[in-house]
Amino acid sequence: NAGVTQTPKFQVLKTGQSMTLQCAQDMNHNSMYWYRQDPGMGLRLIYYSASEGTTDKGEVPNGYNVSRLNKREFSLRLESAAPSQTSVYFCASSQTRSAGELFFGEGSRLTVL
Amino acid sequence: AQSVSQHNHHVILSEAASLELGCNYSYGGTVNLFWYVQYPGQHLQLLLKYFSGDPLVKGIKGFEAEFIKSKFSFNLRKPSVQWSDTAEYFCAVTIGGGADGLTFGKGTHLIIQP
Repeated sequence: NAGVTQTPKFQVLKTGQSMTLQCAQDMNHNSMYWYRQDPGMGLRLIYYSASEGTTDKGEVPNGYNVSRLNKREFSLRLESAAPSQTSVYFCASSQTRSAGELFFGEGSRLTVL
Repeated sequence: AQSVSQHNHHVILSEAASLELGCNYSYGGTVNLFWYVQYPGQHLQLLLKYFSGDPLVKGIKGFEAEFIKSKFSFNLRKPSVQWSDTAEYFCAVTIGGGADGLTFGKGTHLIIQP
């Protein structure tokens, strides 16, 4: 049972570099999410996609872009990485946005120097 | 906007002690409530959830939570903790029909000493 798979698991970038975090789910879920987790801040929603073809900003969208490529895949792009984007990123999915029960990926630890 | 408060950011207990982690939310209408757990180095996973019915909800690994509507609370409890319960615990809520999605508390870091 793969569930939610995200890559890469670790990445080190220099300030100004770009990268894309990939996420795929095999549960036929409609909604997908990107969160960042920082010490003392809990989980903060960056972007979400309530259904295929739609994306919306969450609490902390600045510096990020997303693409809902198809129902399975939801990618997060950092166009010009900044040290403030050093974090652990989690992709998640749910049957619907209102369902509440999220299934999370293993996380991607990103360091921006 | 709704908010979720977890008042204890760090809790240290000895094995076999009883556990209660507080969670309060700020919304007067219908809510769905969740507790998630994140073991060291792992992703979040659902511990238990409340949608309706019996306000005492039982989850995995001996955890339970009680929804007290009058207190806007959904505290997590376990009668006797184990070293393997060391983890970060997040309370979360959806309000009304859930159109605004899930709002997380900032988490409680629980350390169980052997």
